[in-house]
Amino acid sequence: DAGVTQSPTHLIKTRGQQVTLRCSPISGHKSVSWYQQVLGQGPQFIFQYYEKEERGRGNFPDRFSARQFPNYSSELNVNALLLGDSALYLCASSETLASLTEAFFGQGTRLTVV
Amino acid sequence: GQQVMQIPQYQHVQEGEDFTTYCNSSTTLSNIQWYKQRPGGHPVFLIQLVKSGEVKKQKRLTFQFGEAKKNSSLHITATQTTDVGTYFCANTNAGKSTFGDGTTLTVKP
Repeated sequence: DAGVTQSPTHLIKTRGQQVTLRCSPISGHKSVSWYQQVLGQGPQFIFQYYEKEERGRGNFPDRFSARQFPNYSSELNVNALLLGDSALYLCASSETLASLTEAFFGQGTRLTVV
Repeated sequence: GQQVMQIPQYQHVQEGEDFTTYCNSSTTLSNIQWYKQRPGGHPVFLIQLVKSGEVKKQKRLTFQFGEAKKNSSLHITATQTTDVGTYFCANTNAGKSTFGDGTTLTVKP
């Protein structure tokens, strides 16, 4: 079985640009969460989606948005990129809401904003 | 999730020595998860604790949840070079997981 897959693996963008990151959860998993991990810190929660509905939102500006599709895959969009948005963006999937505490992470997308 | 603090930030040990990382909160936690992230990798789920005073073991790893459910620890017996990485604790509440900043373990062969 494939694990959580994220694309692209690496990305370089210029300040002010927009970026879309993609995530495919483990087959059968209905929940997807997004995290931002800056070097030397733990993952910071951005969004959580379950059954295509937003169920949780972290302390991130409105430049960050996300959605989940009928096949449970998800996209994270970041507008008006800032240098400080450079980070590893992680997607995690869980089978149900009840099992959110056991999350399976993808390899992440390394975003560099220059 | 509730804010969780981890200590120490870094730990360097000789192979064969023991290692412990601690996770603390000022408020009662309903659960604690532990993850390991290898250098250049992604967090990998290790275990979850939910009961007061709970102790779980995975081979050389021992996980504990405090009686007051405000702290947790991960202890590795006789470290090996394969144990290197950053160990994170996390708390999940209402769909939101809050991670500590991790303890990075290096092991000298």
